[in-house]
Amino acid sequence: DTGVSQDPRHKITKRGQNVTFRCDPISEHNRLYWYRQTLGQGPEFLTYFQNEAQLEKSRLLSDRFSAERPKGSFSTLEIQRTEQGDSAMYLCASSYNLAGVIAFGPGTRLTVT
Amino acid sequence: KNQVEQSPQSLIILEGKNCTLQCNYTVSPFSNLRWYKQDTGRGPVSLTIMTFSENTKSNGRYTATLDADTKQSSLHITASQLSDSASYICVVNNQAGTALIFGKGTTLSVSS
Repeated sequence: DTGVSQDPRHKITKRGQNVTFRCDPISEHNRLYWYRQTLGQGPEFLTYFQNEAQLEKSRLLSDRFSAERPKGSFSTLEIQRTEQGDSAMYLCASSYNLAGVIAFGPGTRLTVT
Repeated sequence: KNQVEQSPQSLIILEGKNCTLQCNYTVSPFSNLRWYKQDTGRGPVSLTIMTFSENTKSNGRYTATLDADTKQSSLHITASQLSDSASYICVVNNQAGTALIFGKGTTLSVSS
């Protein structure tokens, strides 16, 4: 296992289209997080899963955003009816427990034109 | 309000020099504090994790300190290298552990 992977690495879409991103965490990690990062800012929390259960969602996660982790392994983040303000780096992270290393993936760069 | 403030916002140093980055936080209750290095266009990479009882932790040329009483942390980089050029982000866990409060980062540029 080489770490957290994300796909795609880059996505360019037109406003109004739907996009879906995938995250594959480190295999033994039961916790999975999604963050959004805009230029010059630190990552902002979007949502958190423990196994397949979505335990926390940020108010940043509008009803256009939905995240799933159906089998407690990989996760998907879908954005419906994309807006230009959705352009950002979407980061996925995973961890084994609360105190350990939280490993981040390389991110998916979304550009909405 | 839980906040993490980092200073300076950006820093330019010559290769081989040392530097210290600062992090002040108001997160309460506190669980742990993490420093990450983030190269441009990449995900953050963990450097150190410190709990309430730890005052210092090293990872190679990186040394982090924590003063939980004053709610301050620093990251000291010795003998800087060109590859140290990146954004360094301070992250604080609240006691529940689910919320990571990120600072905006310090952008370090190491020049030859």
